[in-house]
Amino acid sequence: NAGVTQTPKFQVLKTGQSMTLQCAQDMNHNSMYWYRQDPGMGLRLIYYSASEGTTDKGEVPNGYNVSRLNKREFSLRLESAAPSQTSVYFCASKGEGLYNEQFFGPGTRLTVL
Amino acid sequence: RKEVEQDPGPFNVPEGATVAFNCTYSNSASQSFFWYRQDCRKEPKLLMSVYSSGNEDGRFTAQLNRASQYISLLIRDSKLSDSATYLCVVRVLTGGGNKLTFGTGTQLKVEL
Repeated sequence: NAGVTQTPKFQVLKTGQSMTLQCAQDMNHNSMYWYRQDPGMGLRLIYYSASEGTTDKGEVPNGYNVSRLNKREFSLRLESAAPSQTSVYFCASKGEGLYNEQFFGPGTRLTVL
Repeated sequence: RKEVEQDPGPFNVPEGATVAFNCTYSNSASQSFFWYRQDCRKEPKLLMSVYSSGNEDGRFTAQLNRASQYISLLIRDSKLSDSATYLCVVRVLTGGGNKLTFGTGTQLKVEL
């Protein structure tokens, strides 16, 4: 039982390049999330998916797209990376219920030059 | 005003000390509350949920005051291994589901 896995762990991009961050969970959770974490800003929600086939914008969606490929996988795409997207990206998933724990992946450290 | 506010610290305390963190939230419709722990360069992990009646887990006690819209975390007999950032987290039910809002975290350093 691996929980939430993310790839890659580290990435360096040049401005304008594109990339996809991959996320998968093996806990049969319906809800999945993408966050970014910046110093002094806390975790901010980029996009979330309440169930397979649905996605919704979070607090900071501009410059990103997502795909809920199936129940297990939720990917985040940067079409044209900008230095402002330098951050640590966390994927998370959660079971049903108000007090169910949200499990996080190990994070992807992205630098855009 | 931020939805969830925490003192960023750092709180530097000696081993064995008792330390308390507070967190305030602005949305009175908030439904559930949590403390997460985040070690340096690692992902956040759930420390404990915070229930209306207050709850305890070993050396950790969490309290909720809905009237004043704040949550607290008390750590007794601090250990070196308690050094981390503690994130206050609030869940609000929205039209699209329920959403977690994270505070920026309070850094704790426990020293010999």
